[in-house]
Amino acid sequence: SQQGEEDPQALSIQEGENATMNCSYKTSINNLQWYRQNSGRGLVHLILIRSNEREKHSGRLRVTLDTSKKSSSLLITASRAADTASYFCATETPYGQNFVFGPGTRLSVLP
Amino acid sequence: GAVVSQHPSRVICKSGTSVKIECRSLDFQATTMFWYRQFPKKSLMLMATSNEGSKATYEQGVEKDKFLINHASLTLSTLTVTSAHPEDSSFYICSASLSGSINEQFFGPGTRLTVL
Repeated sequence: SQQGEEDPQALSIQEGENATMNCSYKTSINNLQWYRQNSGRGLVHLILIRSNEREKHSGRLRVTLDTSKKSSSLLITASRAADTASYFCATETPYGQNFVFGPGTRLSVLP
Repeated sequence: GAVVSQHPSRVICKSGTSVKIECRSLDFQATTMFWYRQFPKKSLMLMATSNEGSKATYEQGVEKDKFLINHASLTLSTLTVTSAHPEDSSFYICSASLSGSINEQFFGPGTRLTVL
């Protein structure tokens, strides 16, 4: 079964708006990470949040983690056309080297 | 720093041939390298974990004889898709970790394989 699942699967917004993407997971985790992938390219690590953390910021990115609900959210504020990409969450579980990506959210920021 | 390259970036081959994909850590020594596969508009699936000088650890459902992984040095891992078939067409991404932790991996740009 899929460990990390993002929603929505696709999101279109206007430049300047905020974009919120959610990730849910099923089992206990050590940490959760968010990645960005431009079309046909490799992944870029955005942010890691540990299971004992609730919120982290990095520039225009804000990530929250709610372990009781087994969910995380990625907020991109004041979006730009260059933010257009797919965003994936990935969870690392306590059960060995187990690293699972969700299906991703395709974000389109329209100029 | 922490740059990972892959070669080739794109490859087209005929069914039945073997294809080798290289993953290199350019400015650091990677204790561990990971290989992922990504289908169109889908997420990444971890295929295997390779540590320098030892056999790769394959995820469940990944055929080790089909996807041969060699990690001969701390800066190079190779993935060979043997006797490729059209269903092997995919985007293959490697990542490298300095510490060996899957939490500190740097991703390569990916290789798009098309098998005719």
